Order: sequence, then C-alpha cells, then structure tokens
Amino acid sequence: ETGVTQSPTHLIKTRGQQVTLRCSSQSGHNTVSWYQQALGQGPQFIFQYYREEENGRGNFPPRFSGLQFPNYSSELNVNALELDDSALYLCASSLARAGLSYNEQFFGPGTRLTVL
Amino acid sequence: GQQVMQIPQYQHVQEGEDFTTYCNSSTTLSNIQWYKQRPGGHPVFLIQLVKSGEVKKQKRLTFQFGEAKKNSSLHITATQTTDVGTYFCFGFYGGSQGNLIFGKGTKLSVKP
Repeated sequence: ETGVTQSPTHLIKTRGQQVTLRCSSQSGHNTVSWYQQALGQGPQFIFQYYREEENGRGNFPPRFSGLQFPNYSSELNVNALELDDSALYLCASSLARAGLSYNEQFFGPGTRLTVL
Repeated sequence: GQQVMQIPQYQHVQEGEDFTTYCNSSTTLSNIQWYKQRPGGHPVFLIQLVKSGEVKKQKRLTFQFGEAKKNSSLHITATQTTDVGTYFCFGFYGGSQGNLIFGKGTKLSVKP
C-alpha cells in the first residue's frame, strides 16, 4: 500500500453542483498529479502541482481547478458538474527536484464520483 | 496532438502462456513508464524506461523501449493468475508541461 490517501471514497452529486476532492501525498513527496479515469479507460492527466503551483495541465476546462498546500496535500475542485464528469479521480504523488515530474508515481485509491 | 496506442485491448491466456502488450506513440517519447491496475484497484508503478533500446527485467516481466523511443513493450513469461489486471503504458514527451499521456491499457485475464 502507498501512503497516498484520498477522500471521500465515493460521492454522488447532481448536474451543476460543485465538488472538492482531497488527496494527502506520501511523506517526503512534493508533487501531486490528478487524473480522471472513466470506466474501462486509461487515466487522463488533469494537472500537476509542484511546490504549491500548477506545474502542468492536460486538456481539461478551467472548471477543473486545484490547490496544493504547504504540507503538499492537494485538492481538486470541479465546478458546474456535468454527467460526463462521472469517473474515478486518482491522485498520484511523486518526488521531483524541479520542473514537471516524470518520476515514479504513487497512486491513491481514488474517489468514485457519480453525477446524476 | 500526441497519441499513445496500446494493443491489444484484451488478452485472455491460459496460465503458463506468455503475454505481450505493445505501446506505440505518434511522436518521440522522453521516457515511458508501465503501471498495473488490478480490478477495483489503482495503478501501481512497475518500471520506467529512459534510454533508447533499453531493456529491463523484473523476474518474469521484460520491458523494452524502442530504438526510436516511439514504442515499448511489456512481456510476461509463463503467466500466473496473480498477473490478472490491466497494464498501462504512460508516456512523457518532455518539452512543455502537460505532455503526459496514458495508453488505454491491455486487460489481461488468466485462466487457471
């Protein structure tokens, strides 16, 4: 088991609502990446945070936003939820010294979001 | 934009048979990682390949990175039921930030 935790485990929301997902990174890691995984698909990169700043972003609209805190934990916020946002949201922590991290990533168990 | 194609999508094997999954990129990769995701679980890191032509082995698993750094493969010798899961390649293109992409995965089932 990795030291990466995510909360909540499951969440049900309705269209138009807003949601905040949380991730605690593994001890000693300074980088957190967020991914969206639809059923039967590979994870899609949303964005990455390094030392509290967004360090890279995938092809997701601005209503997907995030934060990283001084203890390197992170939040993913999604506004104006759409039905297609239903997915497993994974965070992954890693250790980087500078720039975009492509080192070994340790994934959390994920948050299963259902939008009705 | 960059694309990573992973084949096959599904593979059903008898225990003891070999298994290979292939990952092909439309453009040159800076490096590639492989992950395994068990049913209901999260991706678990297996290996990272960086150098052109690199080959790495982990017990029954052999990973290769092509000479042009556009393709990679994962080969499992003599599969076991514990190998069941989905295997993903994860490509990093370098350059501007955000150049990361997972393949769609190969789902392996092993019949005992």
